[in-house]
Amino acid sequence: DQQVKQNSPSLSVQEGRISILNCDYTNSMFDYFLWYKKYPAEGPTFLISISSIKDKNEDGRFTVFLNKSAKHLSLHIVPSQPGDSAVYFCASMDTGRRALTFGSGTRLQVQP
Amino acid sequence: NAGVTQTPKFQVLKTGQSMTLQCAQDMNHEYMSWYRQDPGMGLRLIHYSVGAGITDQGEVPNGYNVSRSTTEDFPLRLLSAAPSQTSVYFCASSYSATGPLHFGNGTRLTVT
Repeated sequence: DQQVKQNSPSLSVQEGRISILNCDYTNSMFDYFLWYKKYPAEGPTFLISISSIKDKNEDGRFTVFLNKSAKHLSLHIVPSQPGDSAVYFCASMDTGRRALTFGSGTRLQVQP
Repeated sequence: NAGVTQTPKFQVLKTGQSMTLQCAQDMNHEYMSWYRQDPGMGLRLIHYSVGAGITDQGEVPNGYNVSRSTTEDFPLRLLSAAPSQTSVYFCASSYSATGPLHFGNGTRLTVT
């Protein structure tokens, strides 16, 4: 029973275009959401987060959108660069339980 | 600044053997955790600690033990290795249980 789902295992986009990575969650107690990026043979690195009291958070080329009613969040990367090619994990947290639940990841490939 | 250091990077065990995966952080983080990453399943929480002397179980704790005698170290012990424990293990730390996690580079464990 996956509480955090990333339904697209992979995504390929052209350099300079927008990358949109999606994530759905089922637990209504989740109130904090994060995105991590992972390169091969390295640990995940924190990218951006959003609290449930917001619907958008922006950091440079990265923007995370949260739709609480749909239990959906997305990560937008604009413009995409070849160095963005990595696996992206969505993670959700119930801050009361202090437990982080990860999705299965989406492999993004940005073509030069 | 080393961050989170995991050793070894690779390990092969026979069924029934025991071993300890080491994890150390130099950021004075109170919160530390262990995850395993399996194909198609994202990262799953094994055990976590909110401070020295305090540990708790995560989503998949069976077959693993932890202890937290110092703020810096959080070793993960496999008591009797099984093929189902073949995975990549990540240790992570954070300044708080709700803060973004800093991950080590992982230990790839194979149990034959």
